[in-house]
Amino acid sequence: QVQLVQSGAEVKKPGSSVKVSCKASGGTFSSYTISWVRQAPGQGLEWMGRIIPILGIANYAQKFQGRVTITADKSTSTAYMELSSLRSEDTAVYYCARGDRVVPAAIHPQPFDPWGQGTLVTVSS
Amino acid sequence: EIVLTQSPGTLSLSPGERATLSCRASQSVSSSYLAWYQQKPGQAPRLLIYGASSRATGIPDRFSGSGSGTDFTLTISRLEPEDFAVYYCQQYGSSPGITFGQGTRLEIK
Repeated sequence: QVQLVQSGAEVKKPGSSVKVSCKASGGTFSSYTISWVRQAPGQGLEWMGRIIPILGIANYAQKFQGRVTITADKSTSTAYMELSSLRSEDTAVYYCARGDRVVPAAIHPQPFDPWGQGTLVTVSS
Repeated sequence: EIVLTQSPGTLSLSPGERATLSCRASQSVSSSYLAWYQQKPGQAPRLLIYGASSRATGIPDRFSGSGSGTDFTLTISRLEPEDFAVYYCQQYGSSPGITFGQGTRLEIK
């Protein structure tokens, strides 16, 4: 049973960066993509981007292009999401989730399951 | 980008009643790559339905999904107290452009 465990809550100043980790256990890390989804207080779910660990390739939602970097370390089965130039509107809970299945020469769409427990990032001066 | 519009925004029902939630896409969702999630306060979303109509592991059979193309429905046949939560639809077929609906809040009447 795959589990995703995220790093703890962060408080950051406007203009700074935050890096959140997501460690997978109990499964084959490189066989799936890992996506990042955020949820502002009282709001809905917003997909930010994903990493294909076996290829080291990341794709980003247009809204976050240039401000987010998603990486993965296969040796520790850990994915990372770094968001820069933080502003108050970035205050949210950030989730990682396992997504598409990756096989040789193909990526098979899969829903998000499981999810990490979420990491609250607060941006405040 | 495929835009998903959920309706209603809020649904007020009593335990034992039937709930019908709608998700409409701005363009056809390929191969019915449409999922539904349940989220309770302070918790991560939980996968309920994938492929428009397949229940995820451990999901009770009172939850069912249907639809294709641009119109999808989540039905809860007989509401239990623990079903009152927020529900989101998601399309995951036009990866990497994954999108979510804005959510439907199911509240106790």
